[in-house]
Amino acid sequence: TQLLEQSPQFLSIQEGENLTVYCNSSSVFSSLQWYRQEPGEGPVLLVTVVTGGEVKKLKRLTFQFGDARKDSSLHITAAQPGDTGLYLCAGVTYTGNQFYFGTGTSLTVIP
Amino acid sequence: ETGVTQSPTHLIKTRGQQVTLRCSSQSGHNTVSWYQQALGQGPQFIFQYYREEENGRGNFPPRFSGLQFPNYSSELNVNALELDDSALYLCASSLAGTRETQYFGPGTRLLVL
Repeated sequence: TQLLEQSPQFLSIQEGENLTVYCNSSSVFSSLQWYRQEPGEGPVLLVTVVTGGEVKKLKRLTFQFGDARKDSSLHITAAQPGDTGLYLCAGVTYTGNQFYFGTGTSLTVIP
Repeated sequence: ETGVTQSPTHLIKTRGQQVTLRCSSQSGHNTVSWYQQALGQGPQFIFQYYREEENGRGNFPPRFSGLQFPNYSSELNVNALELDDSALYLCASSLAGTRETQYFGPGTRLLVL
């Protein structure tokens, strides 16, 4: 069951452009994480957001957790080729004991 | 502090065979979760082990089974392999249960012919 839907599924942009990836659900999450995964490797944690409305910045990456704790967004400013990869959101519900991963957004930044 | 390791890195099996994948958790972590990731998609939760007991299971059939050992390393066993079992199998360890940060291994790429 795919509790978290990400959009867009694929994104190809030029170096220096800005982009936003969305992660949406009808379920409420106690926390939400964003990962980046490169081919042949496991996902690497970028950030965890735990408070509704929370905004976290990691250099050129800005993460926001929705007020209702059902959605999140990842904004990348001035994308670079090194940002290329599969971006995944993942969340834990209040009642469950497992991580639900999103459908993934494959980002390609062209030099 | 060692990270999460998985073995083997790649594996080729034929339909109907059985496979065992292994995972060594990060030092100090007592929880291991297993995921199946099809190409270009997000990981799907298979199950989680906490202190050697199954602590949650996703929507996978009983032919997917697991073990956790006293040193917190873990195995994923898949019986009667099907073509659709071809995927990247990821293991992740965390300190204490689901709500803690997970650290992922590099995965085992399984191909079923």
